[in-house]
Amino acid sequence: DTAVSQTPKYLVTQMGNDKSIKCEQNLGHDTMYWYKQDSKKFLKIMFSYNNKELIINETVPNRFSPKSPDKAHLNLHINSLELGDSAVYFCASSQELGALNTEAFFGQGTRLTVV
Amino acid sequence: AQTVTQSQPEMSVQEAETVTLSCTYDTSENNYYLFWYKQPPSRQMILVIRQEAYKQQNATENRFSVNFQKAAKSFSLKISDSQLGDTAMYFCAFFGGSEKLVFGKGTKLTVNP
Repeated sequence: DTAVSQTPKYLVTQMGNDKSIKCEQNLGHDTMYWYKQDSKKFLKIMFSYNNKELIINETVPNRFSPKSPDKAHLNLHINSLELGDSAVYFCASSQELGALNTEAFFGQGTRLTVV
Repeated sequence: AQTVTQSQPEMSVQEAETVTLSCTYDTSENNYYLFWYKQPPSRQMILVIRQEAYKQQNATENRFSVNFQKAAKSFSLKISDSQLGDTAMYFCAFFGGSEKLVFGKGTKLTVNP
């Protein structure tokens, strides 16, 4: 069973389109994240949700909108895609700080290519 | 805000030798976790080792160990008996009270045969 699964794994789309990336975790974690990994491999947090509530919203264009229908899912919707949005997007989940063996589990990443 | 610095963009080591990857961080918090994640070419993020800040003893996981210096805010990773499969990007990460996992920029490690 995959702990954190995100789909699709690859996404190629044209500029101006709207696309979504889905993420689900079956670990019972309360916190989920979206990270963007650029071409230089830098991992930057975009959003964090705790129990379906947004707790972290870094400086991200409002074309990016996360949606958490329940605490096991955190989807990322992107409007009006731009060339600069091309990157690998990772979903992750974790227990709260202080939980035994705290760690973040990552999905396999979605490589988004905007052409 | 927490920051994590990895000062070595790239490193290489011969198979079977030992290599140490550096990481420093900045925080005013007292309770936090530090991690090393490995990202091989497959792109998957894999937890290598975890250290709780309140534990003075350095964490070890088989060939991987850390040197955690809390006062110096330093958290280096030592890989012993390096193997070809250790070739990957290695990310140091901080997890603190803001419930945000902050990553360093990574170190690309190449193990040469």
